[in-house]
Amino acid sequence: NAGVTQTPKFRILKIGQSMTLQCAQDMNHNYMYWYRQDPGMGLKLIYYSVGAGITDKGEVPNGYNVSRSTTEDFPLRLELAAPSQTSVYFCASSYRNSNQPQHFGDGTRLSIL
Amino acid sequence: AQRVTQPEKLLSVFKGAPVELKCNYSYSGSPELFWYVQYSRQRLQLLLRHISRESIKGFTADLNKGETSFHLKKPFAQEEDSAMYYCALTGGTSYGKLTFGQGTILTVHP
Repeated sequence: NAGVTQTPKFRILKIGQSMTLQCAQDMNHNYMYWYRQDPGMGLKLIYYSVGAGITDKGEVPNGYNVSRSTTEDFPLRLELAAPSQTSVYFCASSYRNSNQPQHFGDGTRLSIL
Repeated sequence: AQRVTQPEKLLSVFKGAPVELKCNYSYSGSPELFWYVQYSRQRLQLLLRHISRESIKGFTADLNKGETSFHLKKPFAQEEDSAMYYCALTGGTSYGKLTFGQGTILTVHP
């Protein structure tokens, strides 16, 4: 049982490039989330999804897009990479209940140069 | 707006000493509070949640609504407790979206 799987683990992008961070979960969770963690800061919510076909913005959505075509997958898209998007990105998922724990992936460390 | 504050970025104690990681929050409704932990080279994972009122790995946390706090405590720290600890909050109708504190790095010295 892999839980939440994120790929890639590391990536370096040039300013203006685009990329997709992949996230997949095998626990049949309804809710999925993308967070970013900047040095010395807590995790901040970028986007979330409560089920296939349903997504919504979190606290820091600018510069990102998401889609949720299946229950399992929740990719995060960066269209025009900017240095401010250098961060560690975490994907998480949980059952459909606010007091259920979130299960996290290993994270993707992204550098924009 | 909801907010979680962890006033200590770094906390160092010796093995066997008591440890308390502070967490204060602001939220207008009834919050649901969690402590998450990330050990070296491991994933961020749930340590405990206030609704369960349980003790995990010797840690406890009590929700104090009057002081809007959810401090994490352990009477005798162990070296394996060294990790990054995050306090997090969600509201009842927020689809589980978490607001995190800045995190506290706990180091337990032998």
